[in-house]
Amino acid sequence: AQSVAQPEDQVNVAEGNPLTVKCTYSVSGNPYLFWYVQYPNRGLQFLLKYITGDNLVKGSYGFEAEFNKSQTSFHLKKPSALVSDSALYFCAVRPSTSGNTPLVFGKGTRLSVIA
Amino acid sequence: GAVVSQHPSRVICKSGTSVKIECRSLDFQATTMFWYRQFPKQSLMLMATSNEGSKATYEQGVEKDKFLINHASLTLSTLTVTSAHPEDSSFYICSAREGAGGRDTQYFGPGTRLTVL
Repeated sequence: AQSVAQPEDQVNVAEGNPLTVKCTYSVSGNPYLFWYVQYPNRGLQFLLKYITGDNLVKGSYGFEAEFNKSQTSFHLKKPSALVSDSALYFCAVRPSTSGNTPLVFGKGTRLSVIA
Repeated sequence: GAVVSQHPSRVICKSGTSVKIECRSLDFQATTMFWYRQFPKQSLMLMATSNEGSKATYEQGVEKDKFLINHASLTLSTLTVTSAHPEDSSFYICSAREGAGGRDTQYFGPGTRLTVL
């Protein structure tokens, strides 16, 4: 069965500094990987996904993520954090062979950007 | 990206009543919709997968008679919490996927906060 691990419950970063939110996954075969962001009392907003091709994926709001197959990781990054980036971030995975199955989510990482 | 709406955004009801939550895909046809439940400071828990025109597939531990799901059209799925109790209070989020392929992105609604008194 597939699973996602987000090892950090909370990440604190100063505004203007680079940020990284970690994600590792376990899946049979090749993965499809996704990042979502959730603001308070809101649903999830799609940020980016990795399907195939270039390991570095660029997404919304200046975020990017790098797929590393050998380390089974898909860490989310941003070169310069904004206070408005403070939110809950979820990594998710689906096996490429799965067809119609839903995403499996990590437990989420709360990002706090301090001015 | 694609837009998914949910209605209502917030509902407060008395114990024993039923509550219906609507999920609509506004600018695409969703062959598959998913219903999740989220407890405070926790991840999303998948409740069921809903395919248009067929019965929903429920996850283990989710009572299908309590959480009725109807996916009557390619743009609308409803979740009805029957005979709600305080322990059903939660944040319910729907998600819709345009295609049946694994590459397709799931888009999420804004969520419905249910409070059962």
